[in-house]
Amino acid sequence: DTAVSQTPKYLVTQMGNDKSIKCEQNLGHDTMYWYKQDSKKFLKIMFSYNNKELIINETVPNRFSPKSPDKAHLNLHINSLELGDSAVYFCASSMGSGGPTDTQYFGPGTRLTVL
Amino acid sequence: QQQVKQSPQSLIVQKGGISIINCAYENTAFDYFPWYQQFPGKGPALLIAIRPDVSEKKEGRFTISFNKSAKQFSLHIMDSQPGDSATYFCAASIENSGGYQKVTFGIGTKLQVIP
Repeated sequence: DTAVSQTPKYLVTQMGNDKSIKCEQNLGHDTMYWYKQDSKKFLKIMFSYNNKELIINETVPNRFSPKSPDKAHLNLHINSLELGDSAVYFCASSMGSGGPTDTQYFGPGTRLTVL
Repeated sequence: QQQVKQSPQSLIVQKGGISIINCAYENTAFDYFPWYQQFPGKGPALLIAIRPDVSEKKEGRFTISFNKSAKQFSLHIMDSQPGDSATYFCAASIENSGGYQKVTFGIGTKLQVIP
């Protein structure tokens, strides 16, 4: 009964390939996020969607494209993978109430390794 | 540019001791300061949080001290236990132009509590 789930947990691929990471939440939340955690553990927001609409879009290469088919899902598609894309990608969700106490719940992460 | 500075990056504490992690921020518009705990192979999870109009918040063995004038806040873990060994992230959130909260994380502190 995982609240925020991601697939796959591990992804190893060659440079130049296109890959997708899927995220689903069963918490009934309205807002979902993608974060990138690099090798030094630094955690940085990439995107956020509220009810399928993009609300946060940080300076991320346009090779990264989030897609939200419904408010319970936020997938991340990455084109033309580069070595520097290797990281752990975390999906998160929150109620989306907009207030400062809108707690984010994180998924278990997807470790992407680009060879 | 690191908006939330965290130190130390690693910390070793004897069981029963006090673990102290410090954070500083520049942007006075931040309006909420959560701390996240991350165990290896897991996503971060909210541990405790504080609003800037409060100087201290305590939950069990975990206490946040907040100094608004100095733009600093810290996490104290009393009676540290080996089970507390994890990476701790301080964070600060701010409302974006769309009315949604954007969370900025510190670099993280890897805490090891030794028996």
